Order: sequence, then C-alpha cells, then structure tokens
Amino acid sequence: GAGVSQSPSNKVTEKGKDVELRCDPISGHTALYWYRQSLGQGLEFLIYFQGNSAPDKSGLPSDRFSAERTGGSVSTLTIQRTQQEDSAVYLCASRIRVQAFFGQGTRLTVV
Amino acid sequence: GENVEQHPSTLSVQEGDSAVIKCTYSDSASNYFPWYKQELGKRPQLIIDIRSNVGEKKDQRIAVTLNKTAKHFSLHITETQPEDSAVYFCALTIRGAQKLVFGQGTRLTINP
Repeated sequence: GAGVSQSPSNKVTEKGKDVELRCDPISGHTALYWYRQSLGQGLEFLIYFQGNSAPDKSGLPSDRFSAERTGGSVSTLTIQRTQQEDSAVYLCASRIRVQAFFGQGTRLTVV
Repeated sequence: GENVEQHPSTLSVQEGDSAVIKCTYSDSASNYFPWYKQELGKRPQLIIDIRSNVGEKKDQRIAVTLNKTAKHFSLHITETQPEDSAVYFCALTIRGAQKLVFGQGTRLTINP
C-alpha cells in the first residue's frame, strides 16, 4: 500500500459501547504504534508492537483498552465500555528501521 | 525513563524570519531524533530526522542540530513562509527500547 491506512475515519459511539479501530501498516514495516491525541494536545503513547516480540503496553490508560496485531500486519485497537473522556483522534504509525509514518487517524466521539 | 521537554509551546514569527524550537532529553541512550509537522486536522508528517552519530542535518530551509553532551536538539526553520504554520513535535527513541516518545508540541504561527 501507499501508506498507513486507518479505518474508520470517524466513529461516533454511545457511552458504554465497545469500539474497534483498525490500522493497516505500510507493507513490510515491522513496528507499529498507537497514539491518542486529544483536541489541541500532544501525542500520547498507547502501545507498540515490534515483530514477534511482546508488545509494550505501558501507555494503555486502563484495562478497557487492548490491542492486537495479527500476523505481524494489521492491528486492531479495542476500547470496551467507552467513556466520554475516550473521545480523541487515535493515530497509528508504522516503522521500518528508524523512520515512522502515521495514518490519517480515527476520530472517535463518545456521546 | 524516557522524557523529552519541548519549548516553546507557542511561537509567532514574522514571515521571512527564522524560527527555532528546542527539545531536551534525559536519557543518554537516546539515539534517534525525528521532527514531525502537523497541520490542522491532518496527520503528523516526518520532516527531518537525525541520528546520534551526526551533529547537524539540513534539508533546504529546515535543519536539525544535536548536542549530545547537553542532551538537546533543535529544529531551525529559515526564511519562514505562511505554509510553515503548524504544530511541530520533536521525538526520540532510546537504543534498545525503540518506543517513539514525543515532546509536547510547538504551535508555530507565521505572520504575513
């Protein structure tokens, strides 16, 4: 693919519902990151996958958040029992060697 | 642990002047230092990066300098143009960890 692709672009969900956000990294990129960006704020690290190594989950804000990366490619970020404070743009980035490239993000709105 | 401080948080310069944004870090094992530009409503885009074995790198109007002894690195934009207005983020990775840690961002405004 040409770049990192995320879907959906926008998601509106009701408080308490579960959501899944998808990231398709650049083909061949071995590392994948998820970040959260609240309106006007910086990039908050959530989780990092590198090849077959155990993921670095140190940034996940609560046990309602989880992520997986199947077959070393596509990744899904799941948020259970969504809360209004989960509203943000969720950005995925993939990386090979040193340079990381971002997807366009999923804007999540919890109402 | 990983920590990167970015200053200033906002910067306003006249078109044609230079802009400098600085980041400081604490872990001497940091070995890769990229800069990203994020325009309103868009994804962060990599604009320049530098590795720890290099002191300076330039690409047209932008340059990055690294001072490993003082543990800081800076982005320099010369001859600023209105399209340079954006939020700029510094970042780093630490040797062996590979987690990409970002600074808090600098909102740069170029005044015509």
